[in-house]
Amino acid sequence: EVQLVESGGGLVKPGGSLRLSCAASGFPFSTYSMNWVRQAPGKGLEWVSSINSRSDYIYYTDSVKGRFTVSRDNAKNSLFLQINSLRAEDTGVYYCARAQYDSSGYRRYPDYWGQGTLVTVSS
Amino acid sequence: DIQMTQSPSSLSASVGDRVTITCRASQDISNYVVWFQQRPGKAPKSLIYAASSLQSGVPSKFSGSGSGTDFTLTISSLQPEDFATYYCQQYHSYPLTFGGGTKVDLK
Repeated sequence: EVQLVESGGGLVKPGGSLRLSCAASGFPFSTYSMNWVRQAPGKGLEWVSSINSRSDYIYYTDSVKGRFTVSRDNAKNSLFLQINSLRAEDTGVYYCARAQYDSSGYRRYPDYWGQGTLVTVSS
Repeated sequence: DIQMTQSPSSLSASVGDRVTITCRASQDISNYVVWFQQRPGKAPKSLIYAASSLQSGVPSKFSGSGSGTDFTLTISSLQPEDFATYYCQQYHSYPLTFGGGTKVDLK
C-alpha cells in the first residue's frame, strides 16, 4: 500500500524557517518523481515544487523561488521541503504527492497524496 | 502559465442526480488533465487522469472527457459520499496549475 506521511509543520513567525519531511513507503520511491502542493485555509490547491527521481530536474512556482528548496534522500525514502523567509501567505497545509506516468508514458500526474502538514506563519 | 478555468464554482444537487463539471485550459494541453476529489479535512484523491482514464479503484460512476482546451468530469448518479470539492489540474507543462474547484453540496 502506498503511504506518504508528512511532518515538520508548525507555527512560525514571519521570516522564519521550517523543514518539511515526507516519508514514503509501499512503492519504489527512488524511481518516482515527487511533488509538493499546498492549500491555504479555505482555498484551492496550489502546486509548489516538483523533483525527479535523481534530483536533476527541479521546478518551483514563482512565488517560492529563492525561498524554498526541495530535496530527497532515496536511501531513506524521504522527500524534503526547506522553507525560508516565511510569509503570512505561505500559511496552509502542505501535501506531498507521488508523480505517476500516465498512459502516454511521457508526462506525470499526482496520483497518491499524503494527509498533509499544517504550516502557520503568524507573529 | 496555463490557466485552468473551472465551472461552476459550486452546485447543489440531490442524491441520484447526474452532475457535470467543466474545466477550460488557456491553451491546448492535449489530454494532460487529472481530476481530484477532496472531502473536508482530507487529502485530494485522484479520480481521472489523461482526461478520460479511470484511476484504479475509482467507481465507474465517474467519467471524464475532452481534449485540447475543454474538459468535463461527470458523476452519473450522485451518492452521499460524493458531496465534496472537485478540482481539475493540467500536467502538460510547468508550473502545474489547478482549477479553482467546484463544491458539490446537497440541495
